[in-house]
Amino acid sequence: AAGVIQSPRHLIKEKRETATLKCYPIPRHDTVYWYQQGPGQDPQFLISFYEKMQSDKGSIPDRFSAQQFSDYHSELNMSSLELGDSALYFCASSRTGAGRTEAFFGQGTRLTVV
Amino acid sequence: QQPVQSPQAVILREGEDAVINCSSSKALYSVHWYRQKHGEAPVFLMILLKGGEQKGHEKISASFNEKKQQSSLYLTASQLSYSGTYFCGTERHGGSQGNLIFGKGTKLSVKP
Repeated sequence: AAGVIQSPRHLIKEKRETATLKCYPIPRHDTVYWYQQGPGQDPQFLISFYEKMQSDKGSIPDRFSAQQFSDYHSELNMSSLELGDSALYFCASSRTGAGRTEAFFGQGTRLTVV
Repeated sequence: QQPVQSPQAVILREGEDAVINCSSSKALYSVHWYRQKHGEAPVFLMILLKGGEQKGHEKISASFNEKKQQSSLYLTASQLSYSGTYFCGTERHGGSQGNLIFGKGTKLSVKP
């Protein structure tokens, strides 16, 4: 079965650079979530999209932006990177439809800022 | 509002049972349970949608008390493979779609 695909799996950037993380949800899933997880921390909700519109916003810095495209894939754009942005970034997708359904996670993108 | 999980950590011997609790100060629409192994993605275990609902998954089951805004995850006859960090994720009643907030997690270690 198809799963959530994230790319790249690993990314190393320098301070003040920009990064773009991509997420391809499971086919027919209409909701995408982005989470940031620091070492030993719980996943922190950043932002979500439902049917290509932003549906909710969590602790996402102003330096970050995201969007969901017509094919439902999503991109998280991160600018002016800081050392503290180093973390595992997960994307998850779900098919909201008539009711809540479970969210399936991608394998994550490990971002290291040096 | 982040749900509160307890305990923060549990150490078990194979075959022992454990209960992980998740509570919220806000009314909940649903509770999701996930298990995450180090460096890997959280893996979905189950979702509970109705007050008083109980679900089972192998030897892992859960309950959801909508009135108390609490959910509990029950692990019976634990196996080594159960080791990992368990997260509950909650959606607020009437909250917007796509808002799944996780607790800080409960680290479960199962020893031989």
